[in-house]
Amino acid sequence: KAGVTQTPRYLIKTRGQQVTLSCSPISGHRSVSWYQQTPGQGLQFLFEYFSETQRNKGNFPGRFSGRQFSNSRSEMNVSTLELGDSALYLCASSLGRDFTDTQYFGPGTRLTVL
Amino acid sequence: AQSVTQPDIHITVSEGASLELRCNYSYGATPYLFWYVQSPGQGLQLLLKYFSGDTLVQGIKGFEAEFKRSQSSFNLRKPSVHWSDAAEYFCAVAVNSGYSTLTFGKGTMLLVSP
Repeated sequence: KAGVTQTPRYLIKTRGQQVTLSCSPISGHRSVSWYQQTPGQGLQFLFEYFSETQRNKGNFPGRFSGRQFSNSRSEMNVSTLELGDSALYLCASSLGRDFTDTQYFGPGTRLTVL
Repeated sequence: AQSVTQPDIHITVSEGASLELRCNYSYGATPYLFWYVQSPGQGLQLLLKYFSGDTLVQGIKGFEAEFKRSQSSFNLRKPSVHWSDAAEYFCAVAVNSGYSTLTFGKGTMLLVSP
């Protein structure tokens, strides 16, 4: 079974621009979660989608948004990029039935903001 | 709110020696605990998880972890480290909710010396 895929793997943007990252979950998984990983803050939860609905959201500004499509693929968008948004963005998928379902992570998208 | 502490930022172990990585959690109810490993440029791979029952859980790659409620700990162990184990290790907790959200520790970087 194919794993979680994320595209693109690397992105370079400048301050003020916006960016869209994509995540394709494991077949059959209906939950997609997004995490931001930085050296200073570590891994922080952004949001989780299940069946096209946002079920949970972390403590990030409104510039960070996401959506999920009917095929469970998910995108996250960051508008008005800031230098501090440079990070590895990880997506994880799971069956999403409850918190005990294992989350499987993709390789991440490395975003650099100049 | 739940939190996870990994007291050691870096650990160096000789190849063939035993390993113990520490993890302490703070959560009012029964925690649901995970250990993930991240190799350079890769996403997170689940090593093992604890939900209930036997306090010693076995994982992949020869790893095991012991849950100690009295010490609020979930330490990861391996009897003999291999050079390929060099990576960053993350402890995480999930809360009893209707959705999938992980709270991670800051990680421990494992270096393996020859």
